[in-house]
Amino acid sequence: SYELTQPPSVSVSPGQTASITCSGYNLGEKYACWYQQKPGQSPILVIYQDTKRPSGIPGRFSGSNSGNTATLTISGTQPMDEADYYCQAWDTSAYVFGTGTKVTVL
Amino acid sequence: EVQLVESGGGLVQPGRSLRLSCAASGFIFDDFAMHWVRQVPGKGLEWVSGIAWNSGRIGYADSVNGRFTISRDNAKTSLYLRMNSLRPEDTALYYCTKDIFAALAGRGFDSWGQGTLVTVSS
Repeated sequence: SYELTQPPSVSVSPGQTASITCSGYNLGEKYACWYQQKPGQSPILVIYQDTKRPSGIPGRFSGSNSGNTATLTISGTQPMDEADYYCQAWDTSAYVFGTGTKVTVL
Repeated sequence: EVQLVESGGGLVQPGRSLRLSCAASGFIFDDFAMHWVRQVPGKGLEWVSGIAWNSGRIGYADSVNGRFTISRDNAKTSLYLRMNSLRPEDTALYYCTKDIFAALAGRGFDSWGQGTLVTVSS
């Protein structure tokens, strides 16, 4: 079955850039999306179709997808961005979530 | 405002059945695919099942295929998940989610309910 691998944790200082990777075989040939989940809350879609931001998502969130890696970039990270982040892709009739990355804003 | 309200969770013995429901409002229900996603508390997300806008295409995770059945009633703007032969490993918070697209095409889930907790234990 298809797998998406993320680093367990990423640390970033306020105002700096955080990059979260998501690796999967030929991921660049599929659509990737990203979710943010804060403790005790339901996930929120922050990037879809590789690079698009839903309405209401700040411009500091951006995405890319090429080769075997999709990347979520948070520019000018704010303390409110501290959360778990999950990538997702669609492969042969099944949706797959990544392993998740905890972003800590120190 | 999009609202997704799940119900039907609870404590059930292994091998028994349960039916989850999701009442949707605030959008044109039959324009979008819908899904169930589950999460063991403290763990990651797992897609369970999805259904296209007209029920023409349905998908299941391997872990539930043959035991769970997804359905929708567009007239009642509701999504359902029938869960049979439940196992302890099915214990999780089950979210109802709305796709951004009508078909099952991997575009993303832009609205989530608060979830309903299913506990499978004797």
